[in-house]
Amino acid sequence: EAGVTQFPSHSVIEKGQTVTLRCDPISGHDNLYWYRRVMGKEIKFLLHFVKESKQDESGMPNNRFLAERTGGTYSTLKVQPAELEDSGVYFCASSPLGHLSTDTQYFGPGTRLTVL
Amino acid sequence: DQQVKQNSPSLSVQEGRISILNCDYTNSMFDYFLWYKKYPAEGPTFLISISSIKDKNEDGRFTVFLNKSAKHLSLHIVPSQPGDSAVYFCAASADSGNTPLVFGKGTRLSVIA
Repeated sequence: EAGVTQFPSHSVIEKGQTVTLRCDPISGHDNLYWYRRVMGKEIKFLLHFVKESKQDESGMPNNRFLAERTGGTYSTLKVQPAELEDSGVYFCASSPLGHLSTDTQYFGPGTRLTVL
Repeated sequence: DQQVKQNSPSLSVQEGRISILNCDYTNSMFDYFLWYKKYPAEGPTFLISISSIKDKNEDGRFTVFLNKSAKHLSLHIVPSQPGDSAVYFCAASADSGNTPLVFGKGTRLSVIA
């Protein structure tokens, strides 16, 4: 079974440009999460989708970040316009939507974003 | 305000010995705890988890202990192997894992042959 995949693996852009990150969760996983790790700090939650609906977006830094999950499959995270402090590694994770047991989140390899 | 703390940034252990990684948390709503292992340029890989209704969970060389009264958990690896060298993240969640994970900053484990 394929794991969580993310594209691109690395993106270098200039301040003010736009970047779109993509995440393909494990097939059948309704929960999809976005996290970010800024250099030297902990991995922090950004956003949670359940199918195509935003369940929790309390971690989104500001309105320059826009996440979508049309059709409840893959998700995109757009940063527009990018700022220097947006640099970091963006991780996507997915888990099944279960109510009877604990559900482990499985992570993708991440997209390393560098804003110059 | 960090809700999950890993106070040791790094740990070195000899091959064959026990590695003990520690984690403290402050939020009493957390009821599900996980350890992830991370190699450079890869995403976190799930290692082992424990629900708050248990105090121990074991999977091969890996055992996680939970002390709810102290709000403390630990990961024991025995025997340690060079391939275990990685950054280990402690994470916690409320609502049995159906909420976002809160991570610690990680502990870099080096197993020396």
